[in-house]
Amino acid sequence: DTGVSQDPRHKITKRGQNVTFRCDPISEHNRLYWYRQTLGQGPEFLTYFQNEAQLEKSRLLSDRFSAERPKGSFSTLEIQRTEQGDSAMYLCASSTSTTGWETQYFGPGTRLLVL
Amino acid sequence: AQKVTQAQTEISVVEKEDVTLDCVYETRDTTYYLFWYKQPPSGELVFLIRRNSFDEQNEISGRYSWNFQKSTSSFNFTITASQVVDSAVYFCALSEGSGGTSYGKLTFGQGTILTVHP
Repeated sequence: DTGVSQDPRHKITKRGQNVTFRCDPISEHNRLYWYRQTLGQGPEFLTYFQNEAQLEKSRLLSDRFSAERPKGSFSTLEIQRTEQGDSAMYLCASSTSTTGWETQYFGPGTRLLVL
Repeated sequence: AQKVTQAQTEISVVEKEDVTLDCVYETRDTTYYLFWYKQPPSGELVFLIRRNSFDEQNEISGRYSWNFQKSTSSFNFTITASQVVDSAVYFCALSEGSGGTSYGKLTFGQGTILTVHP
């Protein structure tokens, strides 16, 4: 199995710009999660997909954030009109729910810095 | 709402010492799942161990062991004979589930920074 991959690994942008991150899950994993991690904190849940359906979104996910998972494969997370407070590590994880015993496997993350 | 507390912010040990990381959780569900993840300096979260709420049997896996006690809502993790490569941030996490299927969303503690000195 290849692991979860994320692209880019690092992104520096200016306030007000839009950014998009991509996550490729482990093949055949039907669930995909996005988390955000700020310095010194644990990851916080943002949203998750089962196949192509977005089933839950956190209150942390403002209107400037949108996530998609077309065809139930890779996912993108877009942040519009970035703010300095969006600076964080964005983590993607995938899992399979078919066994009823779910473990999430994480990608290396995308570190975003908003200037 | 579910909550995970890792009271130890930082732990420093010398190689070959045993070290225990504490985790206390809160949940209203009777079915839930507990995990430990490791985050080395590279940043990627690595899955270590998991336990469901039905099974309080404590186990050992190599140098790792865990102590799950529902009565005190604790899920402590022990590394035996620590090594320098164990230096990382360790996170305890909780997900709630029903009917044997996890809801999936993980709630993490704030993490414990473990430094193992040679």
